[in-house]
Amino acid sequence: TQLLEQSPQFLSIQEGENLTVYCNSSSVFSSLQWYRQEPGEGPVLLVTVVTGGEVKKLKRLTFQFGDARKDSSLHITAAQPGDTGLYLCAGTGGGNKLTFGTGTQLKVEL
Amino acid sequence: GAGVSQTPSNKVTEKGKYVELRCDPISGHTALYWYRQSLGQGPEFLIYFQGTGAADDSGLPNDRFFAVRPEGSVSTLKIQRTERGDSAVYLCASSLIPGYNEQFFGPGTRLTVL
Repeated sequence: TQLLEQSPQFLSIQEGENLTVYCNSSSVFSSLQWYRQEPGEGPVLLVTVVTGGEVKKLKRLTFQFGDARKDSSLHITAAQPGDTGLYLCAGTGGGNKLTFGTGTQLKVEL
Repeated sequence: GAGVSQTPSNKVTEKGKYVELRCDPISGHTALYWYRQSLGQGPEFLIYFQGTGAADDSGLPNDRFFAVRPEGSVSTLKIQRTERGDSAVYLCASSLIPGYNEQFFGPGTRLTVL
């Protein structure tokens, strides 16, 4: 069974602070995705990374895929209250199903 | 509609009862997925359909769970003899084709078994 551990599990910060969320596994993934989920809604895709060492930027969010394709990180610069939500990494191992991480609940306060 | 829709949004049932959860995928999407999510956790894969057939049902926890997609569009997840441990949010997702295509998720059905 492929497991994805995320850290931290909970994060409460002030507006304007920077943060990093980590997603780690002992397994290699063909690709890794990051989702954000808000209460009462399904996860929404933020980014897909495919190549080891790949870095992608989405406005204030920076995503990195580890060289060995076993881990990933999400860095948010100058967090805003609108960034509040459950952040999920999810890996694909060549099949069609997603293996989701344990989740990081982020709260950004004014 | 433009997105994946799921009905009902909330379902409360008693232990031992039978429930059906419905998913309407995005029109034209051939792949459909069911996941189950406990509070504050990541979703767990249940079953994946390619067209009308279940291509991977390895995530179904036991034989009380069954899903169908008879015409390759709408899918129904059926749970027999519900147990309190079945309480969770059941998410449906669809993608244009299977593989690395983006999966679009519905809002989920919150199932509570009393």
